[in-house]
Amino acid sequence: DGGITQSPKYLFRKEGQNVTLSCEQNLNHDAMYWYRQDPGQGLRLIYYSQIVNDFQKGDIAEGYSVSREKKESFPLTVTSAQKNPTAFYLCASSGEDYNSPLHFGNGTRLTVT
Amino acid sequence: AQSVTQLDSQVPVFEEAPVELRCNYSSSVSVYLFWYVQYPNQGLQLLLKYLSGSTLVKGINGFEAEFNKSQTSFHLRKPSVHISDTAEYFCAVAGSSASKIIFGSGTRLSIRP
Repeated sequence: DGGITQSPKYLFRKEGQNVTLSCEQNLNHDAMYWYRQDPGQGLRLIYYSQIVNDFQKGDIAEGYSVSREKKESFPLTVTSAQKNPTAFYLCASSGEDYNSPLHFGNGTRLTVT
Repeated sequence: AQSVTQLDSQVPVFEEAPVELRCNYSSSVSVYLFWYVQYPNQGLQLLLKYLSGSTLVKGINGFEAEFNKSQTSFHLRKPSVHISDTAEYFCAVAGSSASKIIFGSGTRLSIRP
């Protein structure tokens, strides 16, 4: 079945460490996204990529970095510069039409202590 | 600029009762509207979408929504809820770019037996 795989489901890190969250899709979608979800705040866009080797900052990109070397993969690195990294992170993809719905992975819950 | 407002953060209802989850949007351009559902510790799944045409949209799990352009609303309804409908529901609006999908803050639906 086609879908989006995020790993790991739970991740624990010490403050000051960088951590990379994995996102892989086999839907052949061009566009991929990273969202952060905090209680009561909905989803906020961190980064998005509409084509391989290109990506743009979303609304809350500070303290995060991404790469898009392959169409199927869009890893997110949470750097030590992110002041409040503990959150639920969701990866999504969509087709090329701008009204295409998003397909989501099951998320990674990151806890930084 | 676009925005989405979900008026209720929590909606408790009894099993088999009807439910309406409210969503209002603002946009200066034509919009595409979506409702997503999120079960605990999972990603979001598309419930239904309005792109054009009939203003009454039917989705999965017996949900439907009505696009009301004059009131800039896209309320989600179900005539009879089930315990399995317990989840968080997100309204979203998309405009001229897939990168600009805006999510509401979510409504948590809790079903009482």
